Amino acid sequence: DVKVTQSSRYLVKRTGEKVFLECVQDMDHENMFWYRQDPGLGLRLIYFSYDVKMKEKGDIPEGYSVSREKKERFSLILESASTNQTSMYLCASSGSTGFGPPLHFGNGTRLTVT
Amino acid sequence: AQSVTQLDSQVPVFEEAPVELRCNYSSSVSVYLFWYVQYPNQGLQLLLKYLSGSTLVKSINGFEAEFNKSQTSFHLRKPSVHISDTAEYFCAVSVYNFNKFYFGSGTKLNVKP
Repeated sequence: DVKVTQSSRYLVKRTGEKVFLECVQDMDHENMFWYRQDPGLGLRLIYFSYDVKMKEKGDIPEGYSVSREKKERFSLILESASTNQTSMYLCASSGSTGFGPPLHFGNGTRLTVT
Repeated sequence: AQSVTQLDSQVPVFEEAPVELRCNYSSSVSVYLFWYVQYPNQGLQLLLKYLSGSTLVKSINGFEAEFNKSQTSFHLRKPSVHISDTAEYFCAVSVYNFNKFYFGSGTKLNVKP
C-alpha cells in the first residue's frame, strides 16, 4: 500500500514563527500536493510539484512556499505564520505520468497559530 | 471556470436507509469527476471516479455515482448505509489533463443506529 506520512499530527506555533510541514511518500510518485482544509470550504490547493525541484502555485499560495529536493519528500513552509493560517493541512501524492489527480493522502497536520 | 457545489453540508440518515449525496458542477468543457471519503481523523481516500465510458460507476463498498451531463451532476448513492459509512464525502472535478482540480465543500454523512 502507498503510504503518505506527515511528520506531525498537531502543531502549535506562535505568530511570526517559521513553520515547516513535512510530507514523505514511499511509492516513488512524481506528483505531490499540499492542500489546506477548512470547514465549509473543502480542500484548496496551495502548491503542487510534478517532479524534483519543480513546483507550481495552486489556488492559495500566498504566505506559503514549498521545497522538493528529493522525490519522496515535499515540504510546506510558512515563512511567517499568521493566525489566518490556522487550519488542517493535507499532503497527497499520485503516480500518474504528467499531472494527475491526488490519489493518496496523509492523515493531515492540524496547525494552530496563536 | 469550473466549480463544484455540494448543496448539503450534513446528511443524517438511519442505518439501512438509502442515501443520496448531491454534487453539481459547472464547466463549459468535458470533465472528469471524483468522489473522495474522509473518515474521522484520517486523510481522504478516493472512492470512485468517472473518466469516460459508462456513466454509472461503482465502488467496492456499495456506493455508486452516475454522471449526468445534461444536469451537470454526479450524485453519490447507496441503497442501504451502515454505521461505518459515517464520514465526510467530497466531490471533485477536473478537466482535460487534470491540470486543474477542484473540490466541493464536503457533505458530512451521519449514520444513526
